[in-house]
Amino acid sequence: EDQVTQSPEALRLQEGESSSLNCSYTVSGLRGLFWYRQDPGKGPEFLFTLYSAGEEKEKERLKATLTKKESFLHITAPKPEDSATYLCAAATLNAGNMLTFGGGTRLMVKP
Amino acid sequence: DAGITQSPRHKVTETGTPVTLRCHQTENHRYMYWYRQDPGHGLRLIHYSYGVKDTDKGEVSDGYSVSRSKTEDFLLTLESATSSQTSVYFCAITRDRGEAFFGQGTRLTVV
Repeated sequence: EDQVTQSPEALRLQEGESSSLNCSYTVSGLRGLFWYRQDPGKGPEFLFTLYSAGEEKEKERLKATLTKKESFLHITAPKPEDSATYLCAAATLNAGNMLTFGGGTRLMVKP
Repeated sequence: DAGITQSPRHKVTETGTPVTLRCHQTENHRYMYWYRQDPGHGLRLIHYSYGVKDTDKGEVSDGYSVSRSKTEDFLLTLESATSSQTSVYFCAITRDRGEAFFGQGTRLTVV
């Protein structure tokens, strides 16, 4: 059974304090690893797709990386507006276009 | 913005009544999905569609049915709503490389 696990469940940072969120996956043939941001009361917003180990993607203060077992979302010098829940999801060879989601990390950045 | 509109955005209904949620897309995507999101469970797939009149079950399909008579519309029906179906429901589409894009969600409360 495909499984995606995110840690920590919640993370509190001071503004400017860099950190990383973890997404570990146990799946049968990874086709893609996706990161989303979700603000309260809204739908998940697409951030990145990673397809192979060693791949990296960047957007503003966020950088996503991928290994054969996990993905990291690095947040450099975060600002309060980066506060949100971050979700990762895996697409696998056996599941067609369906995604398996992790439980999310709730990030709070204090000024 | 993937042109996804969900309606209604909020609904309160009584136990035992039928409820239909609508998802409308403007970009002619083949795949459409219904997810529910609950605290402690993350996003879970209810049903999905891979074309007009082509649908299949997801992880938590019991008590739900779907229909897709046109490419742009995907309906989710709760035949007889129960309190356990109180949740936030998200519709999604996937683009060519597998990345999913979500609607704004429907908050359903069954009393």
